Amino acid sequence: QVQLQESGPGLVKPSQTLSLTCTVSGASISKGGYYWGWIRQPAGKGLEWIGRIYASGSTNYSPSLKSRVTISGDSSKNVISLKVSSVSAADTAVYYCARTMTGHNDAMDVWGQGTPVIVSS
Amino acid sequence: DIQMTQSPSSLSAPVGDRVTITCRTSQNIFNYVNWYQQKPGKAPYLLIYAASSVQSGVPARFSGSGSGTEFTLTIDSLQLDDFATYFCQESFSNTPTFGGGTKVEI
Repeated sequence: QVQLQESGPGLVKPSQTLSLTCTVSGASISKGGYYWGWIRQPAGKGLEWIGRIYASGSTNYSPSLKSRVTISGDSSKNVISLKVSSVSAADTAVYYCARTMTGHNDAMDVWGQGTPVIVSS
Repeated sequence: DIQMTQSPSSLSAPVGDRVTITCRTSQNIFNYVNWYQQKPGKAPYLLIYAASSVQSGVPARFSGSGSGTEFTLTIDSLQLDDFATYFCQESFSNTPTFGGGTKVEI
């Protein structure tokens, strides 16, 4: 059974860098057939796709966040990391990591529980 | 970016009703639409992929249809457990986008 668990600081100061980790169990992030990505959701609002990484290390990012976002993977620890630089209050949200199945229309079939992040001084 | 226009933004229906939610896209995306259910405080849950394929474990009362620029999620005989928010998502582009969501209430 594949499980994803997000972790990281729940409070980040404006202009600093938000760093989150997604620990994957039950599957290897270095095995092909899946993307591993991040999605966020401000309180009471919709879902915003942030970006994803493939087993090969190739990445895709949301055009609106591309200049501030980095997603990386560590196959030795089986974790995916997200960094968002120069954060502001607009980056306050629940952050989810999710697995995308390339063989099923790129649908996101497994999600972490989400971790809330507040940007405030 | 591909724009996803989801409607209605909310709806109220009794248990047992048939509910239909629609997503319209700004360009032809063939069958590259997925549907998710989200309950308060929980992560989204995949219901339908490739417009009409039901994810394993999802009750048969959920179905999807459509292609091109118009897609539909249908819930036959609404159950108490179905009261939630539903999102469509396009996976045609390399930078997927979600619809705005439909909140289904009693």
